[in-house]
Amino acid sequence: NAGVMQNPRHLVRRRGQEARLRCSPMKGHSHVYWYRQLPEEGLKFMVYLQKENIIDESGMPKERFSAEFPKEGPSILRIQQVVRGDSAAYFCASSPSGREQYFGPGTRLTVT
Amino acid sequence: AQSVAQPEDQVNVAEGNPLTVKCTYSVSGNPYLFWYVQYPNRGLQFLLKYITGDNLVKGSYGFEAEFNKSQTSFHLKKPSALVSDSALYFCAVRDKISGNTPLVFGKGTRLSVIA
Repeated sequence: NAGVMQNPRHLVRRRGQEARLRCSPMKGHSHVYWYRQLPEEGLKFMVYLQKENIIDESGMPKERFSAEFPKEGPSILRIQQVVRGDSAAYFCASSPSGREQYFGPGTRLTVT
Repeated sequence: AQSVAQPEDQVNVAEGNPLTVKCTYSVSGNPYLFWYVQYPNRGLQFLLKYITGDNLVKGSYGFEAEFNKSQTSFHLKKPSALVSDSALYFCAVRDKISGNTPLVFGKGTRLSVIA
């Protein structure tokens, strides 16, 4: 059973561009969580999704950020009009039940 | 609200000596507690968890952690440190009552094991 997959592993965007981060959960997992890790800080929760539904988005910035987890395919975290402050590592975790979470390797976004 | 504190940004220990990485937590109900390790430019790897039962939890790579309800602590320990243990360690908590809530992480403690 392959682990949680995230791609790309590294993403460079210029200010104002869009960033799309993908997360493929482990087989059989229908719960996905997105976290952001700023330099020298711990992980901060962003959003929790189950298939086709956003369960909790209390950690998402109100503007420019969106997430989806369609019936087929990976979960997508989308950041529109990126700014330098969006530079961070973005981690996805999946879970079969919403309890134990298995983390992917992360996507490191750099905004230039 | 749930919270986790890791009071030490950095812990230095000599190889072969015991190590402790501290964690205290705050939840409204009973906690689920976790330790994760992060190596440079890598994702988080699960080390161990406390759900219920024995207060001493054994995990991967020889690590263990002791749940202390009265002190609301969940310190990570290892009897004999290895240079390869050098990494960033995160403590995390979830409130059992809250169901499928996300993890709340501490800021992390950087462990440096010196040969």
